[in-house]
Amino acid sequence: QLVLTQPPSASASLGASVILTCTLSSGHSSYLIAWHQQRPEKGPRYLMKLNNDGSHTKGDGIPDRFSGSRYGAERYLTISSLQSEDEADYYCQTWDAGIRVFGGGTKLTVL
Amino acid sequence: EVQLVESGGDLIQPGGSLRLSCAASGFTVSSDNMTWVRQAPGKGLEWVSLIYIGGNTNYADSVKGRFTIFRDNSKNTLYLQMNSLRAEDTAIYYCAREGVAGSLEYWGQGTLVTVSS
Repeated sequence: QLVLTQPPSASASLGASVILTCTLSSGHSSYLIAWHQQRPEKGPRYLMKLNNDGSHTKGDGIPDRFSGSRYGAERYLTISSLQSEDEADYYCQTWDAGIRVFGGGTKLTVL
Repeated sequence: EVQLVESGGDLIQPGGSLRLSCAASGFTVSSDNMTWVRQAPGKGLEWVSLIYIGGNTNYADSVKGRFTIFRDNSKNTLYLQMNSLRAEDTAIYYCAREGVAGSLEYWGQGTLVTVSS
């Protein structure tokens, strides 16, 4: 079964960097994923898709502070130079034939 | 500019029906796969349904047989017909436009459905 696992929470200080993790289930380590941001009381916003070659395809207006990477079954979202507006829930999302799957989300607190 | 605007959310009694709309602009709904996603109060995102460019559809097990996704190309609008509604269908419903693969690259602002007596 295709499952994405995310830690429920993370925190980092203003101006610092943070790496959020998303883990693909066994047998699905080659799958592509996308990252989405959801600020409080707002709808989700597409951040980027992680490509197989390690590159990422960003959504409109997503700043360079946001980047993605992968290693094995792990997928990462790195946010550098944290700003207060980055405090949000972050979801990874993947897909297979006929289904779309979300991780449980990570709530990022900017200290 | 791509825009998705959902409407149709309401307070509805259990067992009732509701139709959600997602009006698209800046692209044509028949040119991309389109998806409905929901979010129950205080919970994460849950995929609900998908319609492919070719018209084939898929549903999450939790809504299969009760919900129907379809589109009206003349109105450039995506719909979700929801029947036999249950309390656990209470959520904000979002429509989304997919990219080349299955990533959801544009989202609407959502519409709230509350199922309660």
